[in-house]
Amino acid sequence: EAQVTQNPRYLITVTGKKLTVTCSQNMNHEYMSWYRQDPGLGLRQIYYSMNVEVTDKGDVPEGYKVSRKEKRNFPLILESPSPNQTSLYFCASSIPGGRLPYNEQFFGPGTRLTVL
Amino acid sequence: AQSVAQPEDQVNVAEGNPLTVKCTYSVSGNPYLFWYVQYPNRGLQFLLKYITGDNLVKGSYGFEAEFNKSQTSFHLKKPSALVSDSALYFCAFDNNAGNMLTFGGGTRLMVKP
Repeated sequence: EAQVTQNPRYLITVTGKKLTVTCSQNMNHEYMSWYRQDPGLGLRQIYYSMNVEVTDKGDVPEGYKVSRKEKRNFPLILESPSPNQTSLYFCASSIPGGRLPYNEQFFGPGTRLTVL
Repeated sequence: AQSVAQPEDQVNVAEGNPLTVKCTYSVSGNPYLFWYVQYPNRGLQFLLKYITGDNLVKGSYGFEAEFNKSQTSFHLKKPSALVSDSALYFCAFDNNAGNMLTFGGGTRLMVKP
């Protein structure tokens, strides 16, 4: 089944304790992205990657890191989480070829992160 | 700054009645507009998109949207609502660089039996 998977789905942690949220897609998509969803704000893009070893900042990159060493994986790293990073996080990927607006994004199920 | 706006936090409609979820945009150039739906405890799912051409776009699950350039709107519609349509709906646009989707704040649709 074609899908985007995220782990963990739920995470409670404490301020300053480094964590990684994994994202993997099995659709051979070149484009991958991370969003955070907060009530009333919709989804805001954190980082995106157009291909392996190519990453770039989105709207709200502060406090986050990403890497794209393989096409299928795009982990999100919080080196020193803070309470304002408590949010619902989504990974997404897009089919290859053509410009992005012609290709819809496929989303993972989400990771609910709480930073105490 | 370019943006999309969803003026209603929640829309309530009775099953079988038509529904409209509103979206207006403030985007320079030719906008690429999208609708996504989020069911409880799920990721977002693509519904439909407007790139160019016919102003009436048909999508998944019987939804459609009308691109109106003069009113800068892209409202989502369905002729007959189902209880199973109850979900969170997001309007979004592409920033024309092909790298980023910008989302509206979302509208919760509640369909009552």
